[in-house]
Amino acid sequence: GAVVSQHPSWVICKSGTSVKIECRSLDFQATTMFWYRQFPKQSLMLMATSNEGSKATYEQGVEKDKFLINHASLTLSTLTVTSAHPEDSSFYICSARGAGLFGEQFFGPGTRLTVL
Amino acid sequence: AQSVTQLGSHVSVSEGALVLLRCNYSSSVPPYLFWYVQYPNQGLQLLLKYTSAATLVKGINGFEAEFKKSETSFHLTKPSAHMSDAAEYFCAVSSTGFQKLVFGTGTRLLVSP
Repeated sequence: GAVVSQHPSWVICKSGTSVKIECRSLDFQATTMFWYRQFPKQSLMLMATSNEGSKATYEQGVEKDKFLINHASLTLSTLTVTSAHPEDSSFYICSARGAGLFGEQFFGPGTRLTVL
Repeated sequence: AQSVTQLGSHVSVSEGALVLLRCNYSSSVPPYLFWYVQYPNQGLQLLLKYTSAATLVKGINGFEAEFKKSETSFHLTKPSAHMSDAAEYFCAVSSTGFQKLVFGTGTRLLVSP
C-alpha cells in the first residue's frame, strides 16, 4: 500500500505554546486528508477532513481556531495545535486518500503530543 | 449516526488456535465495514472491507470476516494464529465508502507460544 508519514513522531511542549504536526503522502497524491485524535483505550475520533486547496471541514465539537489545518499541496497537510494546554495531550493520527469513493485511506504512524 | 462496538479490549490465544475478534455495528443506512490492524509504531493497515458484495470477505494474512445483517455483526476470524498476528485491531463503519470512518475502541490480540 501507499505510505503516509508523520513528523514528529513525539513532541513535548510547554503550556501556551503552539505545535505543528506534518502529514505527508510519500508516493501518491492525496486529494483528501483526515486528522484523528486518539485517547488511551479509546477509538480514533475524526477531528477534521481537508481537501487540497480548500478549507478544512471540522467535526462537531472540534475547535477550528485551536486546531488549525492546512492542506496546501497534494502531498502535505499540517495540523497546528495553538496555545496548547495539558488537555490537548493525545495521540494524533493523519490519513490520506486519493480520488474516488473507494480511494482507500492510508494512515500515518501517529504523533504523540504531551503538553506540560 | 453510526457506531461500532468491539467486545473485549484484549483477546489472548495460543499459537495455532482460532482467532475471533468481535465487532457489532449500528447504522441507519447500508454500511461499509472495515477491519484495520495496527502494529507498534506503524500506521493502521487495511485488512479487509465489506462493500455490499459478498458477505464473506477475505483479507490479507489469512483473515476473513462475515457480514451478518440480522446480527449487525462483522466479526474477524483466522483459523490459525501466528505470533506475528499480535497487534491492535480496529473495526470501522462508514456510510460513504472510505470518506468518513467511525472506529471502534480496538482489540489487542495477544498470541502466546
